[in-house]
Amino acid sequence: SQQGEEDPQALSIQEGENATMNCSYKTSINNLQWYRQNSGRGLVHLILIRSNEREKHSGRLRVTLDTSKKSSSLLITASRAADTASYFCATDGTGRRALTFGSGTRLQVQP
Amino acid sequence: KAGVTQTPRYLIKTRGQQVTLSCSPISGHRSVSWYQQTPGQGLQFLFEYFSETQRNKGNFPGRFSGRQFSNSRSEMNVSTLELGDSALYLCASSMDRLKDTIYFGEGSWLTVV
Repeated sequence: SQQGEEDPQALSIQEGENATMNCSYKTSINNLQWYRQNSGRGLVHLILIRSNEREKHSGRLRVTLDTSKKSSSLLITASRAADTASYFCATDGTGRRALTFGSGTRLQVQP
Repeated sequence: KAGVTQTPRYLIKTRGQQVTLSCSPISGHRSVSWYQQTPGQGLQFLFEYFSETQRNKGNFPGRFSGRQFSNSRSEMNVSTLELGDSALYLCASSMDRLKDTIYFGEGSWLTVV
């Protein structure tokens, strides 16, 4: 079963704009990871944020984690057409290396 | 270094047959896990292996099984295939069990007809 929901389910923006995706989860976590998936392909790892961290950056990506609200957000700045993909958050619980995925956000970046 | 490698990439099987999928983790990674992705159920955890032992198992019937070899390579097997087993099967690896990033392969597309 899905751990939680991602919001929005679909997002369409213009190149150069920022894209924000949100993820909520239900149980206590060890880590939260964000992945990108292009149609029909595997998952590409973007960022891992640990439960004791609140924010991480990687290039144009910024991830925040609020464990009190059981939520995370992924911000992609200055988006490009190549960012068009589905984005998933995934959590793993304490002592258990089994990722539970959100339902994903489909991002479309118009050139 | 090479990423997670899965074979075959695409396969078509008939209902009732069995299938074996193979996964080579990133060099040095000892934890290997498997996931099923379908349009209806999304991404779901199948099982995880570490040091040749199954450590966790998802909520799938016993027709789904796996194993890990001493070189950390892993295989998963699905017996008595059903139409609903059609999916993208993803293998993932990580260096240790709890703290590290989990990396995924490109997946094996299974179609059951």
